[in-house]
Amino acid sequence: GAVVSQHPSRVICKSGTSVKIECRSLDFQATTMFWYRQFPKKSLMLMATSNEGSKATYEQGVEKDKFLINHASLTLSTLTVTSAHPEDSSFYICSANVRSAPALNEQFFGPGTRLTVL
Amino acid sequence: DQQVKQNSPSLSVQEGRISILNCDYTNSMFDYFLWYKKYPAEGPTFLISISSIKDKNEDGRFTVFLNKSAKHLSLHIVPSQPGDSAVYFCAASGSEKLVFGKGTKLTVNP
Repeated sequence: GAVVSQHPSRVICKSGTSVKIECRSLDFQATTMFWYRQFPKKSLMLMATSNEGSKATYEQGVEKDKFLINHASLTLSTLTVTSAHPEDSSFYICSANVRSAPALNEQFFGPGTRLTVL
Repeated sequence: DQQVKQNSPSLSVQEGRISILNCDYTNSMFDYFLWYKKYPAEGPTFLISISSIKDKNEDGRFTVFLNKSAKHLSLHIVPSQPGDSAVYFCAASGSEKLVFGKGTKLTVNP
């Protein structure tokens, strides 16, 4: 159980275009979903925390107008990278908390999305 | 300010021996600690966790030790297997959010 999927797994786009990444919890309802970004040989950097039906909470330094997060349901959150630039190229990973889990800290991660902006 | 530190970027061990991965933290509000394993171009997978009320948690070949006074935790893998080769992230939490270390790349040589 506790499977999180992401789509697409890999995307290449032109500079200036927008890209949407989907994160789904497949067999459970997620209280909260998180979006991370990982640069090569770097740690996972939390970008934002997403709660169903409310606005996402962004970490300091993350542009909320550039990285739009929509948490439409308890099983789906989307991250849209707007007007993408080459510096947005990265590995984006989502995670979700299991709604009924006693330990809210346990997050289950999606497989990640590799974004390359040309 | 790095709240979770993994000071060894890489570790190489022989198959069958023990692998010890270390992690230090600075925030005394952290009360839950987790280890994740990550392969390139994949999301992290949960390995093992420990609450601050414990000092040891064991699951098969994996054992996590927590020393609260030193703000230090370690992951022991015994015996190490080539399939354990991956990047291991330590994470800490005092809320829903996780704070990750930079990871340690473990290579287990046959």
